[in-house]
Amino acid sequence: DTGVSQDPRHKITKRGQNVTFRCDPISEHNRLYWYRQTLGQGPEFLTYFQNEAQLEKSRLLSDRFSAERPKGSFSTLEIQRTEQGDSAMYLCASSLVSAIQETQYFGPGTRLLVL
Amino acid sequence: GESVGLHLPTLSVQEGDNSIINCAYSNSASDYFIWYKQESGKGPQFIIDIRSNMDKRQGQRVTVLLNKTVKHLSLQIAATQPGDSAVYFCAENTGGFKTIFGAGTRLFVKA
Repeated sequence: DTGVSQDPRHKITKRGQNVTFRCDPISEHNRLYWYRQTLGQGPEFLTYFQNEAQLEKSRLLSDRFSAERPKGSFSTLEIQRTEQGDSAMYLCASSLVSAIQETQYFGPGTRLLVL
Repeated sequence: GESVGLHLPTLSVQEGDNSIINCAYSNSASDYFIWYKQESGKGPQFIIDIRSNMDKRQGQRVTVLLNKTVKHLSLQIAATQPGDSAVYFCAENTGGFKTIFGAGTRLFVKA
């Protein structure tokens, strides 16, 4: 499978615990994005990387959230001290930036439930 | 909770009919538009895109129309099939990193 993969697919945790999600992008893609999606809404941008550099963070990304892409390949998103409001689907997407267009391809998502 | 999802605009069509899903975008500076399909429990799947210098683009069974004057985008699906049942999102991009998604339309296909 050459698409974007995410792990785990589902995570249930108790409030106050830390969680970490992983995303493996399409191998030749240089941009990687994290989004959050709640029921009935479109994905909301959280942050993105160009290669290993994190170039933009949304104001939705509180200081409890941190993302890394250490070698410009896979990325991790960590949420510390989880709150019930963090319950959502966390989507990763990757793209290959070109002068013509940039289409983002999404992974299956990690669904987080904070109890 | 689950009730939020039930408030999505909904389109119900008979199998074999054509579907038209509409979207109003917000930024007149947006120059690239994408339609995504999202099935339950899955990530959004790219369907078709269009740049602002075009007003129509066709794919396999799908056509996207762009009206920049009124900032309107539509997705037409020909001969709708049960497998087309999903939530459809339009997205706009101003040429930078940020892609903004609309709220989505749920398509039901009746057999």
